[in-house]
Amino acid sequence: NAGVTQTPKFRILKIGQSMTLQCTQDMNHNYMYWYRQDPGMGLKLIYYSVGAGITDKGEVPNGYNVSRSTTEDFPLRLELAAPSQTSVYFCASRAAGTSSSAPQYFGPGTRLTVL
Amino acid sequence: GQNIDQPTEMTATEGAIVQINCTYQTSGFNGLFWYQQHAGEAPTFLSYNVLDGLEEKGRFSSFLSRSKGYSYLLLKELQMKDSASYLCASSYSGAGSYQLTFGKGTKLSVIP
Repeated sequence: NAGVTQTPKFRILKIGQSMTLQCTQDMNHNYMYWYRQDPGMGLKLIYYSVGAGITDKGEVPNGYNVSRSTTEDFPLRLELAAPSQTSVYFCASRAAGTSSSAPQYFGPGTRLTVL
Repeated sequence: GQNIDQPTEMTATEGAIVQINCTYQTSGFNGLFWYQQHAGEAPTFLSYNVLDGLEEKGRFSSFLSRSKGYSYLLLKELQMKDSASYLCASSYSGAGSYQLTFGKGTKLSVIP
């Protein structure tokens, strides 16, 4: 299994441009998450999904959109890039079930700079 | 949101033992995770605690006290490769989707 994969690894955007960060997992996990990580600030949840067709906002959703048309894919869309969106973005997934012990598994991240 | 507190930085000597503390809010608490994150890489899962006590996994152990809202990660026989950030994350019931709240991470530097 490749686990959680993300593309691209690096990207530089100009203010106002748009882009989609791709995330795919091959573990048949129902739960998927998008985080951003800023220096000294920890991981902040942007959006999450509990299954195909279901998405919901996390702590910092403004400026982002997501979709979940399949179990495997959970793309994150930035419509009008702003310098405040400069960050490292991580996608994560988790197996379904009622036990709280299942960990989230993270992709390698996308480092985004908005100039 | 739920607050997670952990020290920002720690330094320890190769071969020694280091303890990284984490405090969290107890209301609705449903489990505590520790992740390791090397610079420029993704977080990787280290341990999970939901009951009071110590969980041991080789050189790494994690402890939980639910009544005190306190956990620690214990790293023994430190190696240079243990230099990384260690993230404490708590899970809360009622959040749905098993969301985690992460602390800001503790950057551990292991020196010779």
